[in-house]
Amino acid sequence: NAGVTQTPKFQVLKTGQSMTLQCAQDMNHNSMYWYRQDPGMGLRLIYYSASEGTTDKGEVPNGYNVSRLNKREFSLRLESAAPSQTSVYFCASSEARTGWAPNEQFFGPGTRLTVL
Amino acid sequence: AQSVTQLDSQVPVFEEAPVELRCNYSSSVSVYLFWYVQYPNQGLQLLLKYLSGSTLVESINGFEAEFNKSQTSFHLRKPSVHISDTAEYFCAAGTGRRALTFGSGTRLQVQP
Repeated sequence: NAGVTQTPKFQVLKTGQSMTLQCAQDMNHNSMYWYRQDPGMGLRLIYYSASEGTTDKGEVPNGYNVSRLNKREFSLRLESAAPSQTSVYFCASSEARTGWAPNEQFFGPGTRLTVL
Repeated sequence: AQSVTQLDSQVPVFEEAPVELRCNYSSSVSVYLFWYVQYPNQGLQLLLKYLSGSTLVESINGFEAEFNKSQTSFHLRKPSVHISDTAEYFCAAGTGRRALTFGSGTRLQVQP
């Protein structure tokens, strides 16, 4: 099993350009997440999808859109990139919550994005 | 709303010395706590978690953390660190309703 895969690994954009970050998981997980990681700020949730067909905003959704294409894939789109979106982006997945406790999240290797 | 505070951004330590990485949380409801580790240029991996039961939880590589409800803490400890423990460590909290809330991370630098 590959776990959680992300493409591309690196990307450089100019301000105003658009792009889509791809994420796929092969663990049959229901829930998927997009985070951004910035120095000194830890990981901040951008969007998440509790199950196929649903998406919800996280802590920092402005400037981003997401699509839960199917159970395996969850993409993140930047419509008009800005320098403030320079960051490392992580996708994660987890089993659907069956009780009250959250389940372990499995992370992809990340996409390092630079916006000039 | 919940928040997670990691008081130390960097912790330098010599090999074979003990280490403690501090984590405090705030939450208005019951909370579940996690420690993740991130090695250079990699994603995060779960190190250990507290969901219920014994307040002392251990990982397979010698780390342990103790849930202290009265002090709202979940500090990570290891009695003797190795060079290979050099990484960034993230504390996270979840209430089960949404995704986890992460702290800002602590970079553990183990020196020979």
